[in-house]
Amino acid sequence: GEDVEQSLFLSVREGDSSVINCTYTDSSSTYLYWYKQEPGAGLQLLTYIFSNMDMKQDQRLTVLLNKKDKHLSLRIADTQTGDSAIYFCAESKIINNAGNMLTFGGGTRLMVKP
Amino acid sequence: EAGVTQFPSHSVIEKGQTVTLRCDPISGHDNLYWYRRVMGKEIKFLLHFVKESKQDESGMPNNRFLAERTGGTYSTLKVQPAELEDSGVYFCASSQFLAGGKTQETQYFGPGTRLLVL
Repeated sequence: GEDVEQSLFLSVREGDSSVINCTYTDSSSTYLYWYKQEPGAGLQLLTYIFSNMDMKQDQRLTVLLNKKDKHLSLRIADTQTGDSAIYFCAESKIINNAGNMLTFGGGTRLMVKP
Repeated sequence: EAGVTQFPSHSVIEKGQTVTLRCDPISGHDNLYWYRRVMGKEIKFLLHFVKESKQDESGMPNNRFLAERTGGTYSTLKVQPAELEDSGVYFCASSQFLAGGKTQETQYFGPGTRLLVL
């Protein structure tokens, strides 16, 4: 079955690192994504990782993937108040060789305190 | 370049009424998706168009929901008649068609339509 789980809430102080965790169940996922949603806005793609990789770094963002445990994490270094948002992880599966179905976790609300 | 737009941003209707949501994808994007997040649940896939053709509508909850994409540009999602459990946020996303063995795809999401059925 398809099930993606995340913790609901994370609070950090400005300047600290944030780590948002996600577990998924579908081992056939091709890519795993992190999206960010700010209030009143749509989902903004932050980064993604191919399922055969174990790490990807992109400026302040580091994605770690443990495929054996089906565990994905997003680390935000030097967290800023502007990083306060809801973060969604998603796994993808190709459908009809034309696109991907995304299966989302419930989202983790990150609150950054000054 | 304009992003994915959705209209209306909010809709409040009574149970039994009809509502039509509209999505305008990014120009040139052949793939168009509808997702929704009902209260307290995850964002769930509803269906996928390639141009005007429905490729996968396995996520559509029941036959009260009808999606169209005439001409392969904008799409509409009609709920008729609306029920209380249809309340939630309906997202549209678009992307370029996967071709040439490519598997990575970035889906660009609109801001969503917040639907409240009373």
